[in-house]
Amino acid sequence: DIQMTQSPSSLSASVGDRVTITCRASQTISNYLNWYQQKPGKAPKLLIYAASTLESGVPSTFSGSGSGTDFTLTISSLQPEDFATYYCQQSYNSRTFGPGTKVDVK
Amino acid sequence: EVQLVESGGGLVQPGGSLRLSCTASGFPFSNYWMSWVRQAPGKGLECMANINQDGSEKYYVGSAKGRFTISRDNSKNTLYLQMNSLRAEDTAVYYCAKDRRVLVADGAFDIWGQGTMVTVSS
Repeated sequence: DIQMTQSPSSLSASVGDRVTITCRASQTISNYLNWYQQKPGKAPKLLIYAASTLESGVPSTFSGSGSGTDFTLTISSLQPEDFATYYCQQSYNSRTFGPGTKVDVK
Repeated sequence: EVQLVESGGGLVQPGGSLRLSCTASGFPFSNYWMSWVRQAPGKGLECMANINQDGSEKYYVGSAKGRFTISRDNSKNTLYLQMNSLRAEDTAVYYCAKDRRVLVADGAFDIWGQGTMVTVSS
């Protein structure tokens, strides 16, 4: 089974900050990596698929990069509505989520 | 409006069974892979099972194998999850989710239901 890790597990940031979250797969997954945002009590929302493609309607402040085993989600300028938990997910072999990164207010 | 609506959750005793349903609307349900994803209270996401367009291919995470069965009825635009031999650790919100890509799945879930809570407790 492919295991996913994320770092950090949580971070505190301010509006306007640049935020970077890292995701690592236990084996190569090419670009089969997706990112989701989840707010409390809500279903996850797809942000980025295929490592770097922005889902329709998602602000361009979000971007993704990486391939193979190492991936990054970047929020270029954190907005008030971006405080949430972020999950990476591999879809190369079955579907496995990372443990999540909680972004909260500094 | 593209929508998924889950139902069937509730309180069940350990060892009991429950069947979850997910009714789809606003898109051609029969063209897409579908999945069940759960989230235990305060925990992360776990993809439990997925199924292809005609139900001929089904995949399960290890903890679901032999206990859970995913199925679909395309005539009713409905996805199901039959859960047997339930354990306390199955307590979670269960979401159904639609694959983003038509016909050939890429495993990215673009539409999610609101979730249905399953509580396994005596």
